[in-house]
Amino acid sequence: EIVLTQSPGTLSLSPGERATLSCRASQSVSSSYLAWYLQKPGQAPRLLIYGASRRATGIPDRFSGSGSGTDFTLTISRLEPEDFAVYYCQQYGSLPLFTFGPGTKVDIK
Amino acid sequence: EVQLVQSGAEVKKPGESLRISCKGSGYSFSSYWISWVRQMPGKGLEWMGRIDPSESYINYSPSFQGHVTISADKSISTAYLQWSSLKASDSAMYYCARHPHGMDVWGQGTTVTVSS
Repeated sequence: EIVLTQSPGTLSLSPGERATLSCRASQSVSSSYLAWYLQKPGQAPRLLIYGASRRATGIPDRFSGSGSGTDFTLTISRLEPEDFAVYYCQQYGSLPLFTFGPGTKVDIK
Repeated sequence: EVQLVQSGAEVKKPGESLRISCKGSGYSFSSYWISWVRQMPGKGLEWMGRIDPSESYINYSPSFQGHVTISADKSISTAYLQWSSLKASDSAMYYCARHPHGMDVWGQGTTVTVSS
């Protein structure tokens, strides 16, 4: 079973700043089957990035994903007010468990 | 519009059975796996399992195997999550999601409350 660790747990930033979120896997993630999601309070999660670096449909280009193997990064180049939320990474390449990370909360400084 | 619409909130007693649903529209339902995800109050996301609606092939997370049953009826584009005997610890929000690569379409969630 692959375990995902996200850091930091909380990131306090101001609008316009750059955010860098980390996701580390306990084993290599198969074929970069790594996704990132954003979840706002009271809403379902929304897919941002899949395949480690591919933006999902409709996702602004201020969101970018990178990494391979066991280390992955989500970067938000300039935070907009609507970006303050919880971000989860997920590996979907290795059964029996498509693991989610514990999440990183990005809040307003 | 591609969407997944889930059944409404449920309030049940411990020991009762329950089936919640997830109906797809706007796409070929049989062509995409459907996963179920649990989110307990104030907590993160937990992947429970998935089903291929075309063949009803199912994978369960070890944490949920034997505790829930996932099924689908492709004729009505609907996936199901079922419990035979609920526990208070099953109280949570449950989401269904479609996944080609990553989970790109999510249902609105179904709140399940189990309380005596």
